[in-house]
Amino acid sequence: GESVGLHLPTLSVQEGDNSIINCAYSNSASDYFIWYKQESGKGPQFIIDIRSNMDKRQGQRVTVLLNKTVKHLSLQIAATQPGDSAVYFCAERMDSSYKLIFGSGTRLLVRP
Amino acid sequence: DTGVSQDPRHKITKRGQNVTFRCDPISEHNRLYWYRQTLGQGPEFLTYFQNEAQLEKSRLLSDRFSAERPKGSFSTLEIQRTEQGDSAMYLCASSLTEVGYTFGSGTRLTVV
Repeated sequence: GESVGLHLPTLSVQEGDNSIINCAYSNSASDYFIWYKQESGKGPQFIIDIRSNMDKRQGQRVTVLLNKTVKHLSLQIAATQPGDSAVYFCAERMDSSYKLIFGSGTRLLVRP
Repeated sequence: DTGVSQDPRHKITKRGQNVTFRCDPISEHNRLYWYRQTLGQGPEFLTYFQNEAQLEKSRLLSDRFSAERPKGSFSTLEIQRTEQGDSAMYLCASSLTEVGYTFGSGTRLTVV
């Protein structure tokens, strides 16, 4: 299949370990943030989102943390599985806007 | 399949030719977006429709690009006089509100 990104930062983790993927966003006026997973040859797939009035949100095996002071977003994946291998993008949206601004992505490789 | 559908999945064209891509959003979604993604980068916003109205076009969208959504359902993106720099993945997404984007799998354009 196609490669989503050839020269992305890469995080390599052992299967079963926890993964933390970080993202610095650009606009202090952004009020909504999303993490997407993109597998080779596919479009971005929604993982989890968080609004700016929160600092933590949990989903199934995933947690998003938001630090507005330093404009930092992180995605934590618990008990990482081979199926989690993909490129992960954070995206931000400014208040009252409809377009998303994506970060540059991190490739997650899960070692068996 | 109730997801966002894009056609074709792949398109190879000679420089200078015109190409047209189609996006069928999720049926109840009134918002439709086009993004472009090059290798190693996150998607970049191109244009946005609410129903049949095109409400914003990015500066990335030169005069050679045109998008339509004539009946507020499917959308087309046409590129005239293609250039090698147009080679990219063209992603369509739809949503019912300002959040909750669903992306399609994209159309990979290669201009030779």
